[in-house]
Amino acid sequence: NAGVTQTPKFQVLKTGQSMTLQCAQDMNHEYMSWYRQDPGMGLRLIHYSVGAGITDQGEVPNGYNVSRSTTEDFPLRLLSAAPSQTSVYFCASSYRSGNYGYTFGSGTRLTVV
Amino acid sequence: GQQLNQSPQSMFIQEGEDVSMNCTSSSIFNTWLWYKQDPGEGPVLLIALYKAGELTSNGRLTAQFGITRKDSFLNISASIPSDVGIYFCAGQLFPRSQGNLIFGKGTKLSVKP
Repeated sequence: NAGVTQTPKFQVLKTGQSMTLQCAQDMNHEYMSWYRQDPGMGLRLIHYSVGAGITDQGEVPNGYNVSRSTTEDFPLRLLSAAPSQTSVYFCASSYRSGNYGYTFGSGTRLTVV
Repeated sequence: GQQLNQSPQSMFIQEGEDVSMNCTSSSIFNTWLWYKQDPGEGPVLLIALYKAGELTSNGRLTAQFGITRKDSFLNISASIPSDVGIYFCAGQLFPRSQGNLIFGKGTKLSVKP
């Protein structure tokens, strides 16, 4: 039981490049979400999904796309990377949306130059 | 958007001292969660609170869900060096089925041995 697995752990992109951050969970959790963490800003919600085939925007969705074709995977796509997207990205999952504590992955540190 | 005010932003304490931090909001929350983040890792759930007035302990940690539903506090007794990290509060709005957590900006705890 690996929990929430994020890959890669580190990534450097050039402005304008695209890439996909991977997130997988093996706990059969319905709810998955992506957060970004910036110094002094806490964790801000980018996109979330309450189940396979269902996604919705969070607080800061611009510049990111998501899809949820399976229960296990919830990839985050950066369409055209910008320096403002330099951040640490966390994927989280929960058994069900609602009052259940989220399990976080260990993060992807992304630098856009 | 909704905001949580978490204080203090940082604390420098001596090993053995007690610690107190809190979160307040202008909105009513139905769930309060407290997380700890170690350097280079994702947040880990410490305590979850589901009812107004609820007081819950987890070892040396105690957290309470404020009666007004607009605040929560976390106490750590007899701090030790491994308590070092960033502590986040998170609240969940009604209805819980929306699943989205709103995070405070964190309290960075440093412990001097």
